[in-house]
Amino acid sequence: GENVEQHPSTLSVQEGDSAVIKCTYSDSASNYFPWYKQELGKRPQLIIDIRSNVGEKKDQRIAVTLNKTAKHFSLHITETQPEDSAVYFCAATYGGIYNQGGKLIFGQGTELSVKP
Amino acid sequence: EPEVTQTPSHQVTQMGQEVILRCVPISNHLYFYWYRQILGQKVEFLVSFYNNEISEKSEIFDDQFSVERPDGSNFTLKIRSTKLEDSAMYFCASSDSNLRRPDTQYFGPGTRLTVL
Repeated sequence: GENVEQHPSTLSVQEGDSAVIKCTYSDSASNYFPWYKQELGKRPQLIIDIRSNVGEKKDQRIAVTLNKTAKHFSLHITETQPEDSAVYFCAATYGGIYNQGGKLIFGQGTELSVKP
Repeated sequence: EPEVTQTPSHQVTQMGQEVILRCVPISNHLYFYWYRQILGQKVEFLVSFYNNEISEKSEIFDDQFSVERPDGSNFTLKIRSTKLEDSAMYFCASSDSNLRRPDTQYFGPGTRLTVL
């Protein structure tokens, strides 16, 4: 089936600490795994993504790792700041043709709270 | 930077009425999607659209739903007879066939639909 599981559902950290969010996906996922940040009442904003031909990708304070064997991928935020507070969604692409046009199946979301 | 736009931002309707939600995808994009998000829940796939036809639809996308690309810029979602449970935020997204980023989907700001 098409399923993405995400943990934890809520995460509270102190400013400056690291935050880690984990997701697992089911077999038929395609090769693309994006992470979106959603602030209250706003659109999901792509913050980082990874394709299955790499195991890790980093962009400043944000990194994503992918373990294809275990079918899980994780988001790492270092040196967290209060403005990182939001809901974070992982997603995996299913269907499509030649890696194009596939639908996103989202995880349940993680509400990250960074306390000053 | 080009963005997906959606109108209206908020739509209030009576149960049983028809609503049309409008989207303008990014101009050179070829793949279009509708997602919905019930308050406090994850983003759910509704339908994908390519080359003037539906590529895939979810179980949510029943006979009450339809999509159309009436001209070269707009992409619409119609709900024929709204139900209370259709109340949600509806997001439009688009992606292109850029081989460097074939799966990246960009989301619009959403239309909040309230069915009374």
